Amino acid sequence: GDSVTQMEGPVTLSEEAFLTINCTYTATGYPSLFWYVQYPGEGLQLLLKATKADDKGSNKGFEATYRKETTSFHLEKGSVQVSDSAVYFCALLDYGGSQGNLIFGKGTKLSVKP
Amino acid sequence: GAGVSQTPSNKVTEKGKYVELRCDPISGHTALYWYRQSLGQGPEFLIYFQGTGAADDSGLPNDRFFAVRPEGSVSTLKIQRTERGDSAVYLCASSFDRDTEAFFGQGTRLTVV
Repeated sequence: GDSVTQMEGPVTLSEEAFLTINCTYTATGYPSLFWYVQYPGEGLQLLLKATKADDKGSNKGFEATYRKETTSFHLEKGSVQVSDSAVYFCALLDYGGSQGNLIFGKGTKLSVKP
Repeated sequence: GAGVSQTPSNKVTEKGKYVELRCDPISGHTALYWYRQSLGQGPEFLIYFQGTGAADDSGLPNDRFFAVRPEGSVSTLKIQRTERGDSAVYLCASSFDRDTEAFFGQGTRLTVV
């Protein structure tokens, strides 16, 4: 079945460092891909998305490119801030597969130190 | 309301008891989803409603779990004969329709002792 694998955390960075969180997926159809973020004490929020191969999603300085050839959707940010400390979830939505609902990775906790 | 509201925010219950978790979606959203998030894991799909009907309940782990949405708005997730393994955060999300962004509530943390 469909699945999402993302890098294990926690990830600890200094402010202004470069961030990469790896995400790869397995899908039977043609999925849309998402990054969700969960700030401390808050609910899951959509950070960015891409609906087809080679699309780039971007928001709040974060970006991720849908790479069909490597089945990846890595999250990047050039200069992280303390306020980016949160748990990040990669997810897919595969209408062509057996499930038409979001399938999430396990999450990666990011801590940014001043 | 302004967002998806879930009540209670925390629930502690004894093994074997019955619990109900409530989700109040964003007004006008026809699609509603329940997910379960265990410690250190990502959310796992339980059930999806389109209007009043359960369009996909393939994620419900067993027949102790049941959910309703009688008027196409508020939904209740019901768990019978709770077990310690049911302890998790139960998340609800809603969207205008299936193809649009889903907005999540803050979840109900269920602890079975």
